[in-house]
Amino acid sequence: AQKITQTQPGMFVQEKEAVTLDCTYDTSDPSYGLFWYKQPSSGEMIFLIYQGSYDQQNATEGRYSLNFQKARKSANLVISASQLGDSAMYFCAMREALGGYNKLIFGAGTRLAVHP
Amino acid sequence: KAGVTQTPRYLIKTRGQQVTLSCSPISGHRSVSWYQQTPGQGLQFLFEYFSETQRNKGNFPGRFSGRQFSNSRSEMNVSTLELGDSALYLCASSLAVTGADTQYFGPGTRLTVL
Repeated sequence: AQKITQTQPGMFVQEKEAVTLDCTYDTSDPSYGLFWYKQPSSGEMIFLIYQGSYDQQNATEGRYSLNFQKARKSANLVISASQLGDSAMYFCAMREALGGYNKLIFGAGTRLAVHP
Repeated sequence: KAGVTQTPRYLIKTRGQQVTLSCSPISGHRSVSWYQQTPGQGLQFLFEYFSETQRNKGNFPGRFSGRQFSNSRSEMNVSTLELGDSALYLCASSLAVTGADTQYFGPGTRLTVL
């Protein structure tokens, strides 16, 4: 079964608008972490934001926020005020405590295109 | 602080050859993980090394191996290359002190097998 599901292969957004990238996950481990990474065409994976399963508040990092709904097992990334440089692939990833702290399970990714 | 570095950035090999990729982690990071990224399979975990020991392994054949040196630098080796091994190979490093530690990725090595 898919552990990380990103249902949007591609998304378009107008510059300066907000966009939400969806991510749902599946785990029976009570201790886990959720990550979002950005991958520009150059290939490097850039860390954006982290949410721990026991964190009470949604994580925020600048223009990025994570809408964490534990009961629904969703961890959507919200990018506010999109910029042209935000055009890239975005990956949601999960790390389970039982699976090993440094083994990330990735979703298939969402390609975001920001239009001027 | 310098980021994760990977060498070489690009490689072209032929079937049956072997290849060694290198990864230098961020200074102070003790854990190095390797991932394979292909259009068909996406991003898949290969293995993780911590203090020169393989701590975790993904579901890859024994042709894929790695090691870590005392300075935390890591190498990954693929023997008897197959066409399907063509991929972007990413390494990531982390402090590995707590479960919340973030993995920081290098720019990747793009391997093409002809």
